[in-house]
Amino acid sequence: SQKIEQNSEALNIQEGKTATLTCNYTNYSPAYLQWYRQDPGRGPVFLLLIRENEKEKRKERLKVTFDTTLKQSLFHITASQPADSATYLCALESGGSYIPTFGRGTSLIVHP
Amino acid sequence: DSGVTQTPKHLITATGQRVTLRCSPRSGDLSVYWYQQSLDQGLQFLIQYYNGEERAKGNILERFSAQQFPDLHSELNLSSLELGDSALYFCASSVGVAGGLINEQFFGPGTRLTVL
Repeated sequence: SQKIEQNSEALNIQEGKTATLTCNYTNYSPAYLQWYRQDPGRGPVFLLLIRENEKEKRKERLKVTFDTTLKQSLFHITASQPADSATYLCALESGGSYIPTFGRGTSLIVHP
Repeated sequence: DSGVTQTPKHLITATGQRVTLRCSPRSGDLSVYWYQQSLDQGLQFLIQYYNGEERAKGNILERFSAQQFPDLHSELNLSSLELGDSALYFCASSVGVAGGLINEQFFGPGTRLTVL
């Protein structure tokens, strides 16, 4: 069966360090992979989209990698700040289905 | 502020009742998506409408229905409510039909439904 796995344990890091979050998937051949940020009680906010033929995408302090061989995406936040504390969701969109399927998310806590 | 509005913000009702959740997409967006988010299930896609027509269906129960009106706002109707329907319901919108080049979705603030 299809699965998207994100670490259910919160990631705690110190301010200024790089946070790295992982999204693994099985039985998908995604054409796109997206990362969203969600704060408690609020709707997800789109951050980045990466296509299957792209290995890396950057936006300001954010970097996403997409390894279709390993079936894994890594999401990095450099120079992390307490304001980056949130839950980060990955979502896969298989070519033709048009609809993102979301992982359960990983909570990031950045300590000052 | 994503530009997507949802009403009401909170809804408390009893089992067996029927409720309607409303969503107005961002100006210019033709697609509306509905999602359910509960603690044990995560964010689950329910249904998508594009320019008034149903486009894709996910794990939507038969007790649930939706529609998109000519002014592009959408309503999600939940009937014969059960305790397990308690969740956050999000609406999202996007410009295109999805897929293709990009599918950035803009999410509304959600409606928290509590079924007692």
